[in-house]
Amino acid sequence: QVQLQESGPGLVKPSETLSLTCTVSGASISSSPYYWGWIRQPPGKGLEWIGTISYSGTTYYNPSLESRVTISIDTSKDQFSLKLTSVTATDTAVYYCARQGSGWPNDYWGQGTLVTVSS
Amino acid sequence: DIVMTQSPDSLAVSLGERATINCKSSQSVLHSSTHKNHFAWYQQKPGQPPKLLIYWASTRVSGVPDRFSGSGSGTDFTLTISSLQAEDVAVYYCQQFYSAPRTFGPGTRVDIK
Repeated sequence: QVQLQESGPGLVKPSETLSLTCTVSGASISSSPYYWGWIRQPPGKGLEWIGTISYSGTTYYNPSLESRVTISIDTSKDQFSLKLTSVTATDTAVYYCARQGSGWPNDYWGQGTLVTVSS
Repeated sequence: DIVMTQSPDSLAVSLGERATINCKSSQSVLHSSTHKNHFAWYQQKPGQPPKLLIYWASTRVSGVPDRFSGSGSGTDFTLTISSLQAEDVAVYYCQQFYSAPRTFGPGTRVDIK
């Protein structure tokens, strides 16, 4: 059974960088053809796809966030990470990590972690 | 970006009755080479991550009760719960995974009448 777990600070100051890590268990993060990505959900609102990375490091980002987002992968640790720079209150959300594939939906999700942007 | 719209925003259905949710995409999500719709339905309960229910528009995930069914193709899709149970109270989202960025519908809240 594939499991994903997000970790990172729950509070980030405005203008600073949000950093989260997702640890994968039950499957190798190097297993093709899957991609690993991030999705967020502001409190009480809908879902926004942030971006994704392959085991080889190929990335795809949402154009609405592309200038501020970096997703990286560490196959030796079965982890991938999200960095979002210059955050504002509008970046306050539950951040989920999830698995996806080419022509394949987001089938496994982490439990999510709430990140609040506030001074 | 492909825009996903859902209707209704919310609905209340009596236990054992049928619930129907519609989703429309701003362009076709039918992949020409595979003939599969790159479209999925998710269920989200409070405090939980979304759970994949149906993919390729009509393929139910293993373990999902058969009262959940998906239909449609191209740009118009439907999720039907044939006999609503108490545990089906949730918000339901549609998603296209035809092109990046993947986009979701705004969600439909299902409650018990």
